Amino acid sequence: DAKTTQPNSMESNEEEPVHLPCNHSTISGTDYIHWYRQLPSQGPEYVIHGLTSNVNNRMASLAIAEDRKSSTLILHRATLRDAAVYYCILRDYNTDKLIFGTGTRLQVFP
Amino acid sequence: EAGVTQSPTHLIKTRGQQATLRCSPISGHTSVYWYQQALGLGLQFLLWYDEGEERNRGNFPPRFSGRQFPNYSSELNVNALELEDSALYLCASSTGTGSTNEKLFFGSGTQLSVL
Repeated sequence: DAKTTQPNSMESNEEEPVHLPCNHSTISGTDYIHWYRQLPSQGPEYVIHGLTSNVNNRMASLAIAEDRKSSTLILHRATLRDAAVYYCILRDYNTDKLIFGTGTRLQVFP
Repeated sequence: EAGVTQSPTHLIKTRGQQATLRCSPISGHTSVYWYQQALGLGLQFLLWYDEGEERNRGNFPPRFSGRQFPNYSSELNVNALELEDSALYLCASSTGTGSTNEKLFFGSGTQLSVL
C-alpha cells in the first residue's frame, strides 16, 4: 500500500492561510490524492481530491507537485472551525482501500 | 438527505463477549467501509462491502467479521472481545462505482469499550 507522510501538528492564527504538506513518494499513476479532516468527536469528512492538476473547491485548494510525489492542502483563511486532524490519503486503485495515516493536527488560534 | 447513521453510539462489553455494530449508508450508496480508530491513533481499514459481497479486508483477525444486507446496510461483528478492541468504529459509504475518484461519507461512529 502506498504511504503518505505528514507532520504531526501545525499551528495557525485565525484569518491566515495554512499550507498542510503531504509526501507520497511511492504514489502510482492511478492513485488519486484525497484529503479528509476529522473534527473532534466526529467521523472524517471529505475535503478535496485530485489526480494531477491543482484543484479548488469552496473548502480548500489542493496543489499537486509535477512529479506527484507530494501535495499541499491550502486553507486560504483559517477559522477556529478548521481546527481538526487533516488526513492525506492515496486511494489504492487495486484494493480500493483508503489508507489513513496519523494525519496532521491543526490548531487555530484567535 | 440523511447521512450515514451508526448504532449504537456507545457500547460497553466485557472481555470475551461479542459486539454487533450497525451502519446504514446514505440512500443510493452500495459500498460500505468499516474502520477502527483506537484512542489517539489514525484510522485502520477493517472491511469493505459492495453489493452484498466482502471486497477487501484489512489486517485484522477473523474474529472481526461483518455482512451487508440487501438494503445495503451493514453489520460489524467482533467476537471474543479483547481489551485492545476498545476503539471508535467508523462506518463510511460511497456510491460504489469502484472509481478511485469517489468520496467516502462517514458516520459519527460507535464507541466500543471493553472492560
